[in-house]
Amino acid sequence: DVKVTQSSRYLVKRTGEKVFLECVQDMDHENMFWYRQDPGLGLRLIYFSYDVKMKEKGDIPEGYSVSREKKERFSLILESASTNQTSMYLCASSPISGEGTEAFFGQGTRLTVV
Amino acid sequence: AQSVTQPDIHITVSEGASLELRCNYSYGATPYLFWYVQSPGQGLQLLLKYFSGDTLVQGIKGFEAEFKRSQSSFNLRKPSVHWSDAAEYFCAVGMYSGGGADGLTFGKGTHLIIQP
Repeated sequence: DVKVTQSSRYLVKRTGEKVFLECVQDMDHENMFWYRQDPGLGLRLIYFSYDVKMKEKGDIPEGYSVSREKKERFSLILESASTNQTSMYLCASSPISGEGTEAFFGQGTRLTVV
Repeated sequence: AQSVTQPDIHITVSEGASLELRCNYSYGATPYLFWYVQSPGQGLQLLLKYFSGDTLVQGIKGFEAEFKRSQSSFNLRKPSVHWSDAAEYFCAVGMYSGGGADGLTFGKGTHLIIQP
């Protein structure tokens, strides 16, 4: 089975801290994604990556950055955490684009910024 | 840009009754459509997907969905729900440009409540 693992289920951070959310996938997928999930808003794409060291902005990249130094690992970075970044963060991976490609999700990280 | 509308925020169904969750999409090309389910505190699990071919798609846990191009819809159905089906359901459309990474565009979700 495809496994996408997010390093933390729950995190509590202080305003202004630099926060790292880590994601690892074990299926040699080319594509990796970070989504943010908020009640009533569904999932919104923050950033995605289609190769090592490559990244593309999604719909809501402001206040975030990402890093992909190895194919299996995709990190989301909150440069200076703010309370409006309190949310559930979901990482996903998928094979290279084409028919039949679906995204596989991690279990999510619930981040609270106080 | 593509978009997905799930018009029902909450749906309450009695256990054993049939279920239909609505999904409408807007997309300029042939869509790739998905239904995901999310149990409380968990990630998303794929229920089913449509890429081409038969417009009635079977998925896991007894779910099915029908793609209707004329109505831009991809509604999810189940003939008889179980209490364990209580969850959040997301419809999504994928954009495939033939190269590079592509993200899914999700609807806002439908929260399914099962009454005993």
